[in-house]
Amino acid sequence: QSVLTQPPSASGTPGQRVTISCSGSNSNIGTNYVYWYQQLPGTAPRLLIYRNNQRPSGVPDRFSGSKSGTSASLAISRLRSEYEADYYCVAWDDRLSGWVFGGGTKLTVL
Amino acid sequence: EVQLVESGGGLVKPGGSLRLSCAASGFTFSNYNMNWVRQAPGKGLEWVSSISRSSRYIYYADSVKGRFTISRDNAKDSLYLQMSSLRAEDTAVYHCARDLYSHNISLGFDSWGQGILVTVSS
Repeated sequence: QSVLTQPPSASGTPGQRVTISCSGSNSNIGTNYVYWYQQLPGTAPRLLIYRNNQRPSGVPDRFSGSKSGTSASLAISRLRSEYEADYYCVAWDDRLSGWVFGGGTKLTVL
Repeated sequence: EVQLVESGGGLVKPGGSLRLSCAASGFTFSNYNMNWVRQAPGKGLEWVSSISRSSRYIYYADSVKGRFTISRDNAKDSLYLQMSSLRAEDTAVYHCARDLYSHNISLGFDSWGQGILVTVSS
């Protein structure tokens, strides 16, 4: 049971916009920044979004993050087949004094 | 080129110990907080432990507290994870990841190693 709650799966067709949600609590998302990671099959995770909505260099602007209260979301616009991967939200938890991960969302591009 | 390379994994019996290493290159290791994150077969990512640049601040997930010890040697550009009292549920690929802080706020785990498999089984 993950501290941050994500839907286990999401899907879309090429060109569509998909949103992945992440729900937490006051001790994590409600107080701290949210980060998003992409993990392609068989590879190490990759940082997609930091500090709620910032993109590292090299991450396409198709990826965007937002946060409101104790929830966050990752939006992927103009979906492409190579975005088929697992996506994880992460936040620091003040009560646990540690990083907490969502359970991950498997994105399928139909 | 930034590189993080884990080593030291393998098969160990329940109750046994193992020491993982993460060799860093291509960046100033001492400028970064470091982390261990694991992934059990077919499961999601789980944060294990973090250590600050000077080793002053160390944090552990409840699932490993009292059994695992994180450490670093900035002179050798290396991160370690000493694992003891290992259980079957510790079986996972263990990744090291760097984490840059700016004004005491994380910029995220921006580089990860490929990971090393630890299997705990009799």
